[in-house]
Amino acid sequence: KNEVEQSPQNLTAQEGEFITINCSYSVGISALHWLQQHPGGGIVSLFMLSSGKKKHGRLIATINIQEKHSSLHITASHPRDSAVYICAVSSPGNQFYFGTGTSLTVIP
Amino acid sequence: DSGVTQTPKHLITATGQRVTLRCSPRSGDLSVYWYQQSLDQGLQFLIQYYNGEERAKGNILERFSAQQFPDLHSELNLSSLELGDSALYFCASSWGGNTEAFFGQGTRLTVV
Repeated sequence: KNEVEQSPQNLTAQEGEFITINCSYSVGISALHWLQQHPGGGIVSLFMLSSGKKKHGRLIATINIQEKHSSLHITASHPRDSAVYICAVSSPGNQFYFGTGTSLTVIP
Repeated sequence: DSGVTQTPKHLITATGQRVTLRCSPRSGDLSVYWYQQSLDQGLQFLIQYYNGEERAKGNILERFSAQQFPDLHSELNLSSLELGDSALYFCASSWGGNTEAFFGQGTRLTVV
């Protein structure tokens, strides 16, 4: 069983739609990270959070420590949001565990 | 541009060979992380260094080793290469041990 599970694996949305990607984890964590990987392969860190909620522009990340669950929301989605979104957790022992990613395609 | 520089961008080598991947962290960052991304295993954490010292080890094979030098750049050495080592290798850096990390563009290694 993977320490980090993401859903859905694939997601297609129309431009302007509200998108939610979910992440569940089974280990104790220091922080949870949301990463974005574009087709060219580069990875960008979107959020690092250990409690509550963070917002950057149209992106919102939430975490519920008790339920070991996080969500990444994209409001007013745009074709440039098309990418793979990866959930990762860092543990108190400095280990890192990654989800398998959610491939998002936003259609104009 | 994240400020993290990885070289080379692409590398093709034969089985049994040894290669060295290089990572220059963002100015001021003390931590360097190495990750492997393969098609069948996804992203995996290999190793972390903090200010020259090994901080944490993940799924790093014994054929692989890394170090962080006094100027804080890091090298990942892969030896006795196998076809299955073909992957994207990412380096990331952060200021502290558990602060936001910035990723390099990766080195795509192909073992033939």
